Amino acid sequence: QVQLVQSGAEVKKPGASVKVSCKASDYTFTNYGVTWVRQAPGKGLEWMGWISNYNGNTNYAQKLQGRVTLTTDTSTSTAYMELWSLTSDDTAVYYCAREQYNWNDFWGQGTLVIVSS
Amino acid sequence: DIQMTQSPSSLSASVGDRVTITCRASQDISIYLAWFQQRPGKAPKSLIYAASSLHSGVPSKFSGSGSGTDFTLTISSLQPEDFAVYYCQQYDTYPYTFGQGTRLEIK
Repeated sequence: QVQLVQSGAEVKKPGASVKVSCKASDYTFTNYGVTWVRQAPGKGLEWMGWISNYNGNTNYAQKLQGRVTLTTDTSTSTAYMELWSLTSDDTAVYYCAREQYNWNDFWGQGTLVIVSS
Repeated sequence: DIQMTQSPSSLSASVGDRVTITCRASQDISIYLAWFQQRPGKAPKSLIYAASSLHSGVPSKFSGSGSGTDFTLTISSLQPEDFAVYYCQQYDTYPYTFGQGTRLEIK
């Protein structure tokens, strides 16, 4: 069945960057997009952005614009989320999710990113 | 940005009960609304899209309704595994915003 497997937990220092991967399987990668959502400890879900696996088009949350880059590698069916200039406010679990017709049907298991000096 | 407001923020119910969660959008989003369930320490799980369409594999005890600005999620015959946090999300206009969540607890 459809699976999205994310990379492992990361610990980063303030000011550093982090790159999280999301490997898809059991479906045609380029027929769907990928959405990234994050969740700070004890908080709700925050939509970060979306990328089309077909043509690479992206849309980012305004508050993250300029600090986040979404990319895909269609040869390996893997999507990536890179976040720059990390602060403690970026400590969160980061999720990727498959997108079809703008809604998200299957989700990755999540990747914990801790930003601490 | 479109604001999504869920009510109640928390809800206590018993096994076997039927509960309803409400989600209100700050502007008309047609039927572009999804519902998700999140159990502790787990990723969100998709339940409903297009306001009332059940995602594949989701039991029919879950149902959604509404259009425009007002939406509801109803869960019938609650079982222990249904006690979780539920989120609504609009996907009409970027950024696709979530409600703050409704925590469903066992009474």
